[in-house]
Amino acid sequence: DVKVTQSSRYLVKRTGEKVFLECVQDMDHENMFWYRQDPGLGLRLIYFSYDVKMKEKGDIPEGYSVSREKKERFSLILESASTNQTSMYLCASSSHGGGSYEQYFGPGTRLTVT
Amino acid sequence: DQQVKQNSPSLSVQEGRISILNCDYTNSMFDYFLWYKKYPAEGPTFLISISSIKDKNEDGRFTVFLNKSAKHLSLHIVPSQPGDSAVYFCAASSWLVGSSNTGKLIFGQGTTLQVKP
Repeated sequence: DVKVTQSSRYLVKRTGEKVFLECVQDMDHENMFWYRQDPGLGLRLIYFSYDVKMKEKGDIPEGYSVSREKKERFSLILESASTNQTSMYLCASSSHGGGSYEQYFGPGTRLTVT
Repeated sequence: DQQVKQNSPSLSVQEGRISILNCDYTNSMFDYFLWYKKYPAEGPTFLISISSIKDKNEDGRFTVFLNKSAKHLSLHIVPSQPGDSAVYFCAASSWLVGSSNTGKLIFGQGTTLQVKP
């Protein structure tokens, strides 16, 4: 079974703090994604990576950056956390090609910025 | 611009009856569609998918129908069970979405299904 793990289930941070969210997948997937989920807005893509050291902006990249130094690990960084970044953060991974676009998700990190 | 829309935020059905969740899309280049199910405090899990070359795909109690001319897909759950109560997201993709081989998905807003015992 594909396993995607996220470093924390719940986080509480203060405004202005630098926040690191870590994601690790064990299926040798090339693609990795970071989303945020907010009520009524669905899943919105923040950043994705299709290879080590490669990254592309998603729909809402402002205020975030990412790092992918190893194939299995994709980190999301909030340079200076703000209250509007309070959200559920979800990491996902998938493989290249094959005609299937299925993404496998981690359990999520509920981040609260006070 | 919301390319994938789930216009019903919530749906309530009785146990044993049919649940029908709807999804509309605007981009005719989408060629693959997926449904995900999400329980609170968990990540979404893949439920069922359909390629644009088909109009129906079935897996046990779950069937997805695709109407390309109407740019509409639906998920039917028969019979509905209390354990099906969750948020359901539809998603769409195409090789033309973003860079090739990235498999980006565009998600709808989600529909919360409640199945009453």
